[in-house]
Amino acid sequence: GQQVMQIPQYQHVQEGEDFTTYCNSSTTLSNIQWYKQRPGGHPVFLIQLVKSGEVKKQKRLTFQFGEAKKNSSLHITATQTTDVGTYFCAGSLITSYDKVIFGPGTSLSVIP
Amino acid sequence: EAQVTQNPRYLITVTGKKLTVTCSQNMNHEYMSWYRQDPGLGLRQIYYSMNVEVTDKGDVPEGYKVSRKEKRNFPLILESPSPNQTSLYFCASSLGQGGTYEQYFGPGTRLTVT
Repeated sequence: GQQVMQIPQYQHVQEGEDFTTYCNSSTTLSNIQWYKQRPGGHPVFLIQLVKSGEVKKQKRLTFQFGEAKKNSSLHITATQTTDVGTYFCAGSLITSYDKVIFGPGTSLSVIP
Repeated sequence: EAQVTQNPRYLITVTGKKLTVTCSQNMNHEYMSWYRQDPGLGLRQIYYSMNVEVTDKGDVPEGYKVSRKEKRNFPLILESPSPNQTSLYFCASSLGQGGTYEQYFGPGTRLTVT
């Protein structure tokens, strides 16, 4: 079946360093969403990318959707302790917008 | 306040004892979904519903049932729970198709089956 992978699984950074997580799908996606889950919390929607090659920014966060719509990345510039949490990508197929496939997530720790 | 609520938040039960986890949303959302979260596996979709009386299987539906008799409610039923269903469960809702609209998640239900 369709798989969505994320690397790395864990990342520890010093506060102020940059962070990137990568999301890769075995099949072409209709769109990609990113969610953040704080420790002990529930996933919270960050953004959705729809177009091939799309790039969106939210303050220090930059999201990209690959040209082939099979991969995506989330880059955080100058991490802060408030960035701690697990970042998930989630995609759906063109043939089935209702079914959502989440990646396993990247857990980010920020050392003050 | 717009929200998704789940009950109970924590549940410890024994193998084979039927249980229901309730989920309710007050945003008049069409789409609702259940996920389970396990370490290293992320969120896996169990069932989803596009509207009242319309449900479909996600990736891991075995051992679970759902119903959507009212738009706001989407209970998850485990008719005969087993230890491998020990997990953290999240209910979510969205305005439309789950893959194309922002999903709002409930606080989660931590289930332990002994």
